[in-house]
Amino acid sequence: DTGVSQDPRHKITKRGQNVTFRCDPISEHNRLYWYRQTLGQGPEFLTYFQNEAQLEKSRLLSDRFSAERPKGSFSTLEIQRTEQGDSAMYLCASSLGPQGSTNEKLFFGSGTQLSVL
Amino acid sequence: QKEVEQNSGPLSVPEGAIASLNCTYSDRGSQSFFWYRQYSGKSPELIMFIYSNGDKEDGRFTAQLNKASQYVSLLIRDSQPSDSATYLCAVNTGNQFYFGTGTSLTVIP
Repeated sequence: DTGVSQDPRHKITKRGQNVTFRCDPISEHNRLYWYRQTLGQGPEFLTYFQNEAQLEKSRLLSDRFSAERPKGSFSTLEIQRTEQGDSAMYLCASSLGPQGSTNEKLFFGSGTQLSVL
Repeated sequence: QKEVEQNSGPLSVPEGAIASLNCTYSDRGSQSFFWYRQYSGKSPELIMFIYSNGDKEDGRFTAQLNKASQYVSLLIRDSQPSDSATYLCAVNTGNQFYFGTGTSLTVIP
């Protein structure tokens, strides 16, 4: 068990560019979540996968954001045409699920800090 | 109304004292409740979870849940300077974990 891994740790980009982040969950975890966190705020839900299926997506999420988990293992989060307001820490978390069981605990990766100039 | 609300603090307690952190949630159907600790610049780390009304103790930490009042709390006994961090309350309402904005705790040596 190597924990949740995210890459890159930091990303600096210019406004209008596209960026892609990768998350490798804990190997046996079938649930994967993406969150965004800005300074002084709690993590804000973006989207959730169970295996390869994207089951839920935040209504607040712009269509510039897309996420995939093609084989039910690693996931990518892409932001197109980045804006300065996209600057945040992007956190990935995984769990073994399901809800109501002790396996539903979320384990977070170290996050990707995005700065849009 | 936010799904999860916490007092943002900051909360300061002397070393050795009890720190009390509170959280309320809006969805009565919520089934599971979590406390995460987040050090500055780091990702959240799970410290406690609770599903049933009452108290759950783990070392110096006690989580308390009152579903009728939609209230969750975390008590930290014998607070240490290393407990200085932001504490996030999280609630699972189904497929989503909702987080509060966190309470900043400082333990003064």
